[in-house]
Amino acid sequence: DVKVTQSSRYLVKRTGEKVFLECVQDMDHENMFWYRQDPGLGLRLIYFSYDVKMKEKGDIPEGYSVSREKKERFSLILESASTNQTSMYLCASEIRTGSSYEQYFGPGTRLTVT
Amino acid sequence: GQNIDQPTEMTATEGAIVQINCTYQTSGFNGLFWYQQHAGEAPTFLSYNVLDGLEEKGRFSSFLSRSKGYSYLLLKELQMKDSASYLCAVQERSNDYKLSFGAGTTVTVRA
Repeated sequence: DVKVTQSSRYLVKRTGEKVFLECVQDMDHENMFWYRQDPGLGLRLIYFSYDVKMKEKGDIPEGYSVSREKKERFSLILESASTNQTSMYLCASEIRTGSSYEQYFGPGTRLTVT
Repeated sequence: GQNIDQPTEMTATEGAIVQINCTYQTSGFNGLFWYQQHAGEAPTFLSYNVLDGLEEKGRFSSFLSRSKGYSYLLLKELQMKDSASYLCAVQERSNDYKLSFGAGTTVTVRA
């Protein structure tokens, strides 16, 4: 079974703090993604990475950065947390087989910024 | 960009059939995903459609019409455990790494 793990299920941080969210997958997948999920808005893509040290902006990258130093690990960084970044953060890794795609999600990190 | 529309909520009875519609408007379409998400849990993959037509997987089927910008997820023989949110996601043609998600449809199954 594919396993995607995230460093914390619940996190509370103060405004202005630097926040690191870690994601690890154990299936040697090349592609990894960070989303945030907010009620009524669905999942929105923040950043993704298709290889080590490669990253690309998603739809809402402002206020975030990412790091992919090893294939299995993809980190999301909030440089200076703000209250509007309170959200559920979901990491995913993806396998592609021919024309077939499948994303596996981690359990999520519910971040509250006070 | 993508504009993806699905109903907010649906309610059905155990053993019944429910059809969740998803319409999309896109500048470039590659494929469409359906995910299931139970409350407080991560989304899990249900289906991926690229070609027009119906794909069946046990009690769940997914249909796509590319020309109409329309998909549906059909849940048959509903069980209580099917109570969840169902997410429709469109994959862009210009960048097939990017998925755009609808807001999700919450299905409640009643006894």
